[in-house]
Amino acid sequence: DQQVKQNSPSLSVQEGRISILNCDYTNSMFDYFLWYKKYPAEGPTFLISISSIKDKNEDGRFTVFLNKSAKHLSLHIVPSQPGDSAVYFCAAKIGGTASKLTFGTGTRLQVTL
Amino acid sequence: GAVVSQHPSRVICKSGTSVKIECRSLDFQATTMFWYRQFPKQSLMLMATSNEGSKATYEQGVEKDKFLINHASLTLSTLTVTSAHPEDSSFYICSAALPSSYNEQFFGPGTRLTVL
Repeated sequence: DQQVKQNSPSLSVQEGRISILNCDYTNSMFDYFLWYKKYPAEGPTFLISISSIKDKNEDGRFTVFLNKSAKHLSLHIVPSQPGDSAVYFCAAKIGGTASKLTFGTGTRLQVTL
Repeated sequence: GAVVSQHPSRVICKSGTSVKIECRSLDFQATTMFWYRQFPKQSLMLMATSNEGSKATYEQGVEKDKFLINHASLTLSTLTVTSAHPEDSSFYICSAALPSSYNEQFFGPGTRLTVL
């Protein structure tokens, strides 16, 4: 049972444009969401997170939007850069304690020149 | 801050042997560490939650006698794959949660295990 889904396995965006990565979840108990960036043969690197009490969190070029009613979140990268090319995972957890992360299946972003 | 290391980064072993993977939090103390496994082109799947000084909590379907986890100190957790078989070949990643902010986990660089 995939509780966190990323329906787009890949995305190609031109440098300078906006990249939008989407994520859906089914478990209404999730109240904290994170985005990670991952290169092959490396561990994930934390990018940005959002609590369920917010609908938007921004950090530099990265913005995460949360729509609780739709159980949907998205990561916006503006402007996209070639160095952003990687696999992006969204993850969800039930916050408050050191509880486990449930990861989505990942979206491979390719930023072209 | 929040650096997590893993050793070794890559290991190749013969079928039937045991392999130990170390996970260390370098600049903070982690009461809780997590072990994940990632098969090619798939998501990271949590295997177990490692708690310092107590037994690990394993996810459904993960054999605790095959994947031994020890969290002997606040900066070190080890995963031992016992009697490894080719189907255990995978990318194993650990993470640690900051005591001050349990919501964020920081990941090690991973260990590529190949069982021949």
